[in-house]
Amino acid sequence: DTEVTQTPKHLVMGMTNKKSLKCEQHMGHRAMYWYKQKAKKPPELMFVYSYEKLSINESVPSRFSPECPNSSLLNLHLHALQPEDSALYLCASSQAGSQETQYFGPGTRLLVL
Amino acid sequence: RKEVEQDPGPFNVPEGATVAFNCTYSNSASQSFFWYRQDCRKEPKLLMSVYSSGNEDGRFTAQLNRASQYISLLIRDSKLSDSATYLCAVPTTGTASKLTFGTGTRLQVTL
Repeated sequence: DTEVTQTPKHLVMGMTNKKSLKCEQHMGHRAMYWYKQKAKKPPELMFVYSYEKLSINESVPSRFSPECPNSSLLNLHLHALQPEDSALYLCASSQAGSQETQYFGPGTRLLVL
Repeated sequence: RKEVEQDPGPFNVPEGATVAFNCTYSNSASQSFFWYRQDCRKEPKLLMSVYSSGNEDGRFTAQLNRASQYISLLIRDSKLSDSATYLCAVPTTGTASKLTFGTGTRLQVTL
């Protein structure tokens, strides 16, 4: 079963709100990822967690704060976002290792007003 | 040279046609390559992984040309349901996987 789940499916928030996106996988994967995807563009990597430690931060603004509470869960905390942050936020997971297949969740569609 | 490049298309083909997409990559040390399919407003779904010279799954064939640093995806007997964007992805080498995507190739299969 190659399933990654994400909640919520849709989120509308104001620029002063604080919200969190959640991602879960039960495939025993030890690497988890956050991507951002704008319309008609490919996914762009934001963060990588490997064995529950942050291993890559692609110079993402601090208004995005990732958290990996355990090997199955990945959160993305949002605070003081801008309208240009509106996008599809995708979570993915893979076996740890640099060449492993990544499996994506359905994404959270975020609209910042 | 961009890390991963694809022809954005769109490729408009009739049902039953054979269509091929290419994806070029710049990192000669890459060992694995991936084709994902993405439908409108959905997540990328893995179509094929390529670890050696190629891979075949039903109507889909992926081939790797290391000398010229490209991978191709061939779709035979196209179906209407094949209409989607096809994303090529190449991981960087190293201890953690950074997956770089091409811009995607849009395929529209028509009656």
